[in-house]
Amino acid sequence: EPEVTQTPSHQVTQMGQEVILRCVPISNHLYFYWYRQILGQKVEFLVSFYNNEISEKSEIFDDQFSVERPDGSNFTLKIRSTKLEDSAMYFCASNLDRGLGEQFFGPGTRLTVL
Amino acid sequence: GQQLNQSPQSMFIQEGEDVSMNCTSSSIFNTWLWYKQEPGEGPVLLIALYKAGELTSNGRLTAQFGITRKDSFLNISASIPSDVGIYFCAGQRTGTASKLTFGTGTRLQVTL
Repeated sequence: EPEVTQTPSHQVTQMGQEVILRCVPISNHLYFYWYRQILGQKVEFLVSFYNNEISEKSEIFDDQFSVERPDGSNFTLKIRSTKLEDSAMYFCASNLDRGLGEQFFGPGTRLTVL
Repeated sequence: GQQLNQSPQSMFIQEGEDVSMNCTSSSIFNTWLWYKQEPGEGPVLLIALYKAGELTSNGRLTAQFGITRKDSFLNISASIPSDVGIYFCAGQRTGTASKLTFGTGTRLQVTL
């Protein structure tokens, strides 16, 4: 069964460093998302992406964040200058048709900022 | 921002018992989804609901889309140990890039 994959599974970085989190969405899906989950809390929306541009972003997704689909398969989230409060699980999700609602999530990348 | 409140916050039940949990919102959603999350993993989709009043089953799981469109319910029958995890509801409005708004979660523990 097709699935969303994410790398790395765990990233440790120093405050102020740039990180890139990578995702490979399900191959025929057209809509891509990033969410984050701070330890013990609910999952929060960051950004949605369709047709090579951002569709919507939350207030969390400030100018330190960017997303890119550099080729036909990868979808990346970049944090330019990490802060301690960026420590969280970051989940990529994809769906085929934005009207259908069924978003499929990857296993996540645990980001730890020291 | 919008808040989806789930209750109960946590449940401790015995294997074989039935479980009910719900999710309420102050605003309307067009789609409701239920996800299960196990430690260190991503949310796994259990059930999706698209119409007010809809009742949908997936094995031992049954979910309902409330008629007011502001709530949803999930039932698990005859619980087993592998049902342990956190159950999240998520609401979605079409026409807003389909972002999901997640609930606060219900943590389920099953004892033998």
